[in-house]
Amino acid sequence: DQQVKQNSPSLSVQEGRISILNCDYTNSMFDYFLWYKKYPAEGPTFLISISSIKDKNEDGRFTVFLNKSAKHLSLHIVPSQPGDSAVYFCAASEDQAGTALIFGKGTTLSVSS
Amino acid sequence: DVKVTQSSRYLVKRTGEKVFLECVQDMDHENMFWYRQDPGLGLRLIYFSYDVKMKEKGDIPEGYSVSREKKERFSLILESASTNQTSMYLCASSLPGLAHTQYFGPGTRLTVL
Repeated sequence: DQQVKQNSPSLSVQEGRISILNCDYTNSMFDYFLWYKKYPAEGPTFLISISSIKDKNEDGRFTVFLNKSAKHLSLHIVPSQPGDSAVYFCAASEDQAGTALIFGKGTTLSVSS
Repeated sequence: DVKVTQSSRYLVKRTGEKVFLECVQDMDHENMFWYRQDPGLGLRLIYFSYDVKMKEKGDIPEGYSVSREKKERFSLILESASTNQTSMYLCASSLPGLAHTQYFGPGTRLTVL
């Protein structure tokens, strides 16, 4: 059973608008969540993370929101840029010291100019 | 600058061949990981290692083995390649206790004919 779910395989947004990528999880023991970004022919790169003791973490144009009661997190990109077009993976860990991450299937974001 | 390198970007092998995928990191990281990425399935953990000569099975270890003789090198071995092992293989490394700082290599696109 999938513990981390990204139910939207793809998302298309116009440049300058907001991109919202969603992620749901089922394991209540997860307490650290991350977003990775992947361009074709490259490995994933870490984007932003959030601990379960917080409900929001912001880094420039990127903000991650966590709703623990709903077991849901989202990544907001404002404003979206064509260079943000990539596959975004949500990942979770049972503790910050965990050695393995559980990844979602990914959402392909396309930002058109 | 941190670096994870993988021996080949593209590899074509025949069914039944023994295949070695090599990964080297120059960051003195204790943890190393092997994932495979397939369309619609995201990143799935095959094996990971938290120290030299140590290994742990991930979610899909069947058909694979690993070797970690030196801290900087983690090898993935396909004992007898099969067509369902055609995939993108990604290596990553991290410091212990910092699951979010997994640094990924560029990936090896393996095709088994």
